[in-house]
Amino acid sequence: EAGVVQSPRYKIIEKKQPVAFWCNPISGHNTLYWYRQNLGQGPELLIRYENEEAVDDSQLPKDRFSAERLKGVDSTLKIQPAELGDSAVYLCASSLGQGSTEAFFGQGTRLTVV
Amino acid sequence: SQQGEEDPQALSIQEGENATMNCSYKTSINNLQWYRQNSGRGLVHLILIRSNEREKHSGRLRVTLDTSKKSSSLLITASRAADTASYFCATDGWSSGSRLTFGEGTQLTVNP
Repeated sequence: EAGVVQSPRYKIIEKKQPVAFWCNPISGHNTLYWYRQNLGQGPELLIRYENEEAVDDSQLPKDRFSAERLKGVDSTLKIQPAELGDSAVYLCASSLGQGSTEAFFGQGTRLTVV
Repeated sequence: SQQGEEDPQALSIQEGENATMNCSYKTSINNLQWYRQNSGRGLVHLILIRSNEREKHSGRLRVTLDTSKKSSSLLITASRAADTASYFCATDGWSSGSRLTFGEGTQLTVNP
């Protein structure tokens, strides 16, 4: 069974440019998470989807971040415009949902904003 | 905001020794989970303990949970160099709507 797939693995952009990350969760997983992880810290939740509905986006900086999960499967996370402080690893994870929170993570996208 | 706090922040031991990491959290939980992260990789689920459980084992891992103290510990017995990684606890609870919230992690180094 394929795991959570993220792309790209690495991205370097200049500040003020837009950037997008893509995530394909494990088939059949209803819950999808986007986390941001700064160096030496734990992951911080940005947004959580249950199927196609964003049920927890209170920590998403909505002035510059947006996300979508069309048809309740793949998801994209976008930053526009990027700032220097956005440099981090962006992790996507999925879980079965319906009370099951054991999360399976992708390899992450390491974003560097210069 | 982080729910959990791991202690210690960093731990260095010799191969064959046991490693103990602690996690404290703030609000009531449904479950507490432990994850491992190797450098530059995603997180891997290790073990889940429910709020009504006190101890759980999986291979060389032993997890305890004390809900009265809002704390958990992860014990890795007979450590190996391959256990070198960061270890995170994560909690979810009714008040958070099943949000999975991670602590800051413990960096474990096992020296050969």
